Amino acid sequence: QVVLTQSPSASASLGASVKLTCTLSSGHSNYAIAWHQQQPEKGPRFLMHLNSGGSHTKGDGIPDRFSGSSSGAERYLTISSLQSEDEADYYCETWGTGFRVFGGGTKLTVL
Amino acid sequence: QVQLVESGGGLVKPGGSLRLSCAASGFTFSDYYMSWIRQVPGKGLEWVSHISSGGSSIYYADSVKGRFTISRDNAKNSLYLQMNTLRADDTAVYYCARDLYSRYVEYWGQGILVTVSS
Repeated sequence: QVVLTQSPSASASLGASVKLTCTLSSGHSNYAIAWHQQQPEKGPRFLMHLNSGGSHTKGDGIPDRFSGSSSGAERYLTISSLQSEDEADYYCETWGTGFRVFGGGTKLTVL
Repeated sequence: QVQLVESGGGLVKPGGSLRLSCAASGFTFSDYYMSWIRQVPGKGLEWVSHISSGGSSIYYADSVKGRFTISRDNAKNSLYLQMNTLRADDTAVYYCARDLYSRYVEYWGQGILVTVSS
């Protein structure tokens, strides 16, 4: 079964950029993922789909500040020009026949 | 725009049952796979179940298999989750979600809290 690993926390300054990582378990480096954002006390929101080649498709209304990239088994979410509302939990998700898996999430603090 | 509104949550005793509903609007419900995902307060997301657009293909997480049943009524634009033999570790916010095919969540509901406690 595929496992997604995320660092529990990350921080960056207002106006800076940050790169969050989601790592696919061994043998699953070709899987695509989805990134989701969950602001405090809110439901999650879909950010983008990201494939192994780094091509990504964003959800409705997601700003250009959010982008995705891939390298091997790692999938990245880069947020540029950080704003206070970007302080949130970020989850990656992947899937296969009959299953879905979420990473443990990364809590992003905007300093 | 896409709207997913859950209802039916609340407090239930261990061993009890509860039925969650999700009212969908803003899209052609019968065209889409749908899912239930849950989140223990303060913890991460856990996929529970998903169902194909016509209802013929259904999958469950091992943690709920045999206790929970997902279903849908395309005429009523509604998704359901029948939860039986509830346990304390089923306590969570339950989200209704619209999928892109059977792959990933594209839209989320606002969630509804289910508390299993005596």
